[in-house]
Amino acid sequence: AQSVSQHNHHVILSEAASLELGCNYSYGGTVNLFWYVQYPGQHLQLLLKYFSGDPLVKGIKGFEAEFIKSKFSFNLRKPSVQWSDTAEYFCAVGEGGFKTIFGAGTRLFVKA
Amino acid sequence: KAGVTQTPRYLIKTRGQQVTLSCSPISGHRSVSWYQQTPGQGLQFLFEYFSETQRNKGNFPGRFSGRQFSNSRSEMNVSTLELGDSALYLCASSSGDFLSGNTIYFGEGSWLTVV
Repeated sequence: AQSVSQHNHHVILSEAASLELGCNYSYGGTVNLFWYVQYPGQHLQLLLKYFSGDPLVKGIKGFEAEFIKSKFSFNLRKPSVQWSDTAEYFCAVGEGGFKTIFGAGTRLFVKA
Repeated sequence: KAGVTQTPRYLIKTRGQQVTLSCSPISGHRSVSWYQQTPGQGLQFLFEYFSETQRNKGNFPGRFSGRQFSNSRSEMNVSTLELGDSALYLCASSSGDFLSGNTIYFGEGSWLTVV
Protein backbone atom coordinates (compact mmCIF):
# COMPACT_ATOMS: atom_id res chain seq x y z
CA ALA A 1 0.00 0.00 0.00
CA GLN A 2 1.09 3.53 -0.65
CA SER A 3 2.54 5.30 2.36
CA VAL A 4 4.11 8.60 3.32
CA SER A 5 6.83 8.78 5.97
CA GLN A 6 7.86 11.90 7.81
CA HIS A 7 11.11 11.36 9.62
CA ASN A 8 10.65 13.64 12.59
CA HIS A 9 7.56 13.80 14.76
CA HIS A 10 8.77 16.71 16.87
CA VAL A 11 11.36 19.36 16.05
CA ILE A 12 12.47 22.20 18.30
CA LEU A 13 14.51 25.05 16.83
CA SER A 14 15.60 28.50 17.86
CA GLU A 15 14.63 31.48 15.75
CA ALA A 16 16.91 32.01 12.73
CA ALA A 17 17.90 28.34 12.63
CA SER A 18 17.54 26.46 9.37
CA LEU A 19 14.82 23.89 8.92
CA GLU A 20 14.65 20.69 6.93
CA LEU A 21 11.78 18.25 7.32
CA GLY A 22 12.10 14.91 5.62
CA CYS A 23 9.39 13.18 3.64
CA ASN A 24 9.54 9.91 1.72
CA TYR A 25 6.78 8.08 -0.07
CA SER A 26 6.37 4.59 -1.40
CA TYR A 27 4.30 5.00 -4.57
CA GLY A 28 6.23 4.24 -7.75
CA GLY A 29 4.04 5.97 -10.32
CA THR A 30 3.43 9.58 -11.18
CA VAL A 31 2.61 11.64 -8.13
CA ASN A 32 1.59 15.09 -7.04
CA LEU A 33 3.40 16.20 -3.89
CA PHE A 34 2.30 18.66 -1.25
CA TRP A 35 3.25 20.19 2.04
CA TYR A 36 0.46 21.47 4.23
CA VAL A 37 0.71 23.44 7.45
CA GLN A 38 -1.66 23.59 10.39
CA TYR A 39 -1.09 26.54 12.70
CA PRO A 40 -2.48 26.26 16.23
CA GLY A 41 -6.24 26.56 16.15
CA GLN A 42 -6.39 26.88 12.37
CA HIS A 43 -7.27 24.57 9.54
CA LEU A 44 -4.86 22.92 7.14
CA GLN A 45 -3.38 25.23 4.55
CA LEU A 46 -1.31 24.52 1.47
CA LEU A 47 2.34 25.56 1.78
CA LEU A 48 3.53 24.40 -1.61
CA LYS A 49 3.06 21.71 -4.21
CA TYR A 50 4.84 19.93 -7.02
CA PHE A 51 3.21 18.19 -9.95
CA SER A 52 5.53 18.83 -12.88
CA GLY A 53 8.47 20.92 -14.06
CA ASP A 54 11.23 22.28 -11.84
CA PRO A 55 11.71 19.86 -8.94
CA LEU A 56 12.60 22.75 -6.65
CA VAL A 57 9.39 24.48 -5.71
CA LYS A 58 8.87 27.59 -3.65
CA GLY A 59 5.89 28.18 -1.44
CA ILE A 60 4.53 30.78 0.89
CA LYS A 61 6.42 32.33 3.81
CA GLY A 62 9.87 31.46 2.46
CA PHE A 63 9.42 27.69 2.37
CA GLU A 64 10.74 25.54 -0.44
CA ALA A 65 10.85 21.83 -1.18
CA GLU A 66 12.84 19.65 -3.52
CA PHE A 67 11.46 16.60 -5.29
CA ILE A 68 14.10 13.92 -5.78
CA LYS A 69 12.45 11.22 -7.83
CA SER A 70 15.24 8.65 -7.42
CA LYS A 71 14.95 8.91 -3.64
CA PHE A 72 11.14 9.15 -3.53
CA SER A 73 11.64 12.21 -1.36
CA PHE A 74 10.11 15.66 -1.05
CA ASN A 75 11.90 17.45 1.77
CA LEU A 76 10.75 20.81 3.07
CA ARG A 77 13.28 23.54 3.83
CA LYS A 78 13.44 27.05 5.19
CA PRO A 79 16.75 28.87 5.69
CA SER A 80 15.71 30.86 8.76
CA VAL A 81 12.66 30.00 10.87
CA GLN A 82 10.58 32.44 12.86
CA TRP A 83 8.53 31.99 16.01
CA SER A 84 5.42 32.27 13.82
CA ASP A 85 6.43 29.08 11.99
CA THR A 86 5.43 27.07 15.04
CA ALA A 87 2.89 24.65 13.60
CA GLU A 88 2.35 21.09 12.46
CA TYR A 89 3.58 20.24 8.97
CA PHE A 90 2.17 17.47 6.82
CA CYS A 91 3.65 15.96 3.72
CA ALA A 92 1.08 14.54 1.28
CA VAL A 93 1.18 12.49 -1.89
CA GLY A 94 -1.54 12.44 -4.48
CA GLU A 95 -1.51 9.49 -6.83
CA GLY A 96 -3.70 8.63 -9.75
CA GLY A 97 -6.06 6.57 -7.63
CA PHE A 98 -8.04 9.63 -6.65
CA LYS A 99 -6.75 9.95 -3.15
CA THR A 100 -4.17 12.04 -1.35
CA ILE A 101 -2.29 10.29 1.43
CA PHE A 102 -0.78 12.21 4.33
CA GLY A 103 2.20 11.59 6.52
CA ALA A 104 1.82 11.51 10.30
CA GLY A 105 2.92 15.12 10.62
CA THR A 106 5.85 16.93 12.21
CA ARG A 107 5.27 19.32 15.07
CA LEU A 108 7.67 22.24 14.88
CA PHE A 109 8.24 24.47 17.86
CA VAL A 110 10.34 27.58 17.35
CA LYS A 111 11.79 29.19 20.45
CA ALA A 112 11.80 32.97 20.42
CA LYS B 1 -14.57 32.78 -3.41
CA ALA B 2 -15.89 30.93 -0.39
CA GLY B 3 -13.85 28.08 1.01
CA VAL B 4 -14.90 24.62 2.06
CA THR B 5 -17.71 24.79 4.58
CA GLN B 6 -18.42 22.06 7.09
CA THR B 7 -21.33 21.71 9.47
CA PRO B 8 -21.75 21.21 12.31
CA ARG B 9 -18.44 22.40 13.75
CA TYR B 10 -18.82 20.67 17.09
CA LEU B 11 -21.02 17.86 18.26
CA ILE B 12 -21.29 15.35 21.07
CA LYS B 13 -22.91 11.97 20.56
CA THR B 14 -23.49 8.90 22.66
CA ARG B 15 -22.12 5.47 21.86
CA GLY B 16 -24.43 3.58 19.53
CA GLN B 17 -25.90 6.69 17.95
CA GLN B 18 -25.30 7.75 14.39
CA VAL B 19 -24.08 11.07 13.02
CA THR B 20 -24.22 12.88 9.70
CA LEU B 21 -21.67 15.53 8.76
CA SER B 22 -22.09 17.92 5.88
CA CYS B 23 -19.63 19.56 3.51
CA SER B 24 -20.02 22.24 0.86
CA PRO B 25 -17.01 22.35 -1.49
CA ILE B 26 -15.45 25.35 -3.13
CA SER B 27 -17.58 26.51 -6.01
CA GLY B 28 -16.61 24.67 -9.19
CA HIS B 29 -14.90 21.80 -7.40
CA ARG B 30 -16.35 18.42 -8.24
CA SER B 31 -14.23 16.24 -5.97
CA VAL B 32 -14.81 15.91 -2.25
CA SER B 33 -12.62 13.87 0.09
CA TRP B 34 -13.10 13.06 3.75
CA TYR B 35 -10.41 12.51 6.34
CA GLN B 36 -10.32 11.57 9.99
CA GLN B 37 -7.71 13.40 12.06
CA THR B 38 -6.66 12.14 15.48
CA PRO B 39 -3.55 12.96 17.55
CA GLY B 40 -2.17 9.47 17.32
CA GLN B 41 -3.06 8.57 13.73
CA GLY B 42 -2.68 11.84 11.85
CA LEU B 43 -4.92 12.24 8.80
CA GLN B 44 -6.54 9.04 7.64
CA PHE B 45 -8.25 8.96 4.24
CA LEU B 46 -11.89 7.92 4.41
CA PHE B 47 -13.21 8.27 0.85
CA GLU B 48 -13.32 10.46 -2.22
CA TYR B 49 -16.30 11.37 -4.37
CA PHE B 50 -16.41 12.87 -7.83
CA SER B 51 -19.62 13.66 -9.68
CA GLU B 52 -21.66 11.66 -7.19
CA THR B 53 -19.46 8.55 -7.56
CA GLN B 54 -17.15 7.15 -4.92
CA ARG B 55 -13.81 6.71 -6.66
CA ASN B 56 -11.73 5.50 -3.76
CA LYS B 57 -12.05 4.60 -0.12
CA GLY B 58 -9.74 4.05 2.80
CA ASN B 59 -9.53 1.26 5.33
CA PHE B 60 -12.46 2.09 7.53
CA PRO B 61 -15.31 -0.20 8.57
CA GLY B 62 -18.64 -0.14 6.78
CA ARG B 63 -20.08 2.01 9.58
CA PHE B 64 -18.47 4.92 7.75
CA SER B 65 -20.28 5.92 4.61
CA GLY B 66 -20.71 8.93 2.44
CA ARG B 67 -22.45 10.34 -0.54
CA GLN B 68 -22.25 13.26 -2.90
CA PHE B 69 -25.12 15.19 -4.39
CA SER B 70 -25.51 16.63 -7.87
CA ASN B 71 -24.44 20.08 -6.61
CA SER B 72 -21.17 18.49 -5.32
CA ARG B 73 -22.15 18.89 -1.70
CA SER B 74 -21.28 15.84 0.33
CA GLU B 75 -22.29 14.12 3.53
CA MET B 76 -20.65 11.45 5.56
CA ASN B 77 -22.39 9.24 8.04
CA VAL B 78 -21.07 7.17 10.90
CA SER B 79 -23.45 4.63 12.37
CA THR B 80 -23.26 2.81 15.69
CA LEU B 81 -20.74 5.25 17.09
CA GLU B 82 -17.85 4.00 19.18
CA LEU B 83 -15.66 5.94 21.59
CA GLY B 84 -12.77 5.57 19.17
CA ASP B 85 -14.67 7.53 16.53
CA SER B 86 -14.00 10.71 18.48
CA ALA B 87 -11.95 12.83 16.10
CA LEU B 88 -11.80 15.82 13.84
CA TYR B 89 -13.46 15.00 10.53
CA LEU B 90 -12.11 17.02 7.65
CA CYS B 91 -13.65 17.62 4.30
CA ALA B 92 -11.50 18.69 1.38
CA SER B 93 -12.43 19.72 -2.12
CA SER B 94 -10.53 19.86 -5.37
CA SER B 95 -11.01 19.93 -9.11
CA GLY B 96 -10.45 16.18 -9.18
CA ASP B 97 -8.03 16.52 -12.10
CA PHE B 98 -4.82 14.69 -11.21
CA LEU B 99 -2.90 15.97 -14.24
CA SER B 100 -3.32 19.60 -13.22
CA GLY B 101 -2.04 18.99 -9.72
CA ASN B 102 -5.37 18.35 -7.99
CA THR B 103 -4.65 20.48 -4.94
CA ILE B 104 -7.08 19.73 -2.15
CA TYR B 105 -8.40 22.50 0.06
CA PHE B 106 -9.61 21.79 3.54
CA GLY B 107 -12.51 22.99 5.60
CA GLU B 108 -12.20 23.74 9.29
CA GLY B 109 -13.55 20.35 10.22
CA SER B 110 -16.25 18.89 12.43
CA TRP B 111 -15.19 17.96 15.94
CA LEU B 112 -17.00 14.81 17.00
CA THR B 113 -16.90 13.62 20.60
CA VAL B 114 -18.45 10.27 21.43
CA VAL B 115 -19.29 9.70 25.09
